[in-house]
Amino acid sequence: KAGVTQTPRYLIKTRGQQVTLSCSPISGHRSVSWYQQTPGQGLQFLFEYFSETQRNKGNFPGRFSGRQFSNSRSEMNVSTLELGDSALYLCASSSNRGGETQYFGPGTRLLVL
Amino acid sequence: AQSVAQPEDQVNVAEGNPLTVKCTYSVSGNPYLFWYVQYPNRGLQFLLKYITGDNLVKGSYGFEAEFNKSQTSFHLKKPSALVSDSALYFCAVRDREDDYKLSFGAGTTVTVRA
Repeated sequence: KAGVTQTPRYLIKTRGQQVTLSCSPISGHRSVSWYQQTPGQGLQFLFEYFSETQRNKGNFPGRFSGRQFSNSRSEMNVSTLELGDSALYLCASSSNRGGETQYFGPGTRLLVL
Repeated sequence: AQSVAQPEDQVNVAEGNPLTVKCTYSVSGNPYLFWYVQYPNRGLQFLLKYITGDNLVKGSYGFEAEFNKSQTSFHLKKPSALVSDSALYFCAVRDREDDYKLSFGAGTTVTVRA
């Protein structure tokens, strides 16, 4: 099976812009989660989608949003970008919730100037 | 609320020596515990997990971890480290009481010297 894919891999934006990141899960996986990784804050949970419904959300402002489509592909959007949003954004998929293993994509590195 | 602690920022070992990366956790209910490894500019790779059953879990690349409920620990071990094991290691926990949210430790950088 193909792994989790994320597009684009690299992105440069300026403050105030918005950005949309895409994630395609492993075939058959219904749960998709998003994480932000920065040197200072480590890995922080953004949100989880399961069967097109947001099931869990981390402590991020409303500028961060996401959605999941019927084919389980997911997008996350960040509006009004700030310098502090520069990070590696990781997507992970699992077949189900609970104790299922999450498999991670390579990430999208976002740089906000 | 759940939390994960990795008390060591860095672990340095010589190739061929045993490698241990420490992890302790705090959850309300029964934990689901995971170890991941991250190489530079890459995503996280799954190594192993504990859900239930035998406390000693064997995973990829010769790694294993021991679940200790009384000490709330889940240390990662490898009997003989390789230079290629040099990477960033993350411990993570999912708690049913927290709707299965996956929480990560801060990470431990492992350096294996030749």
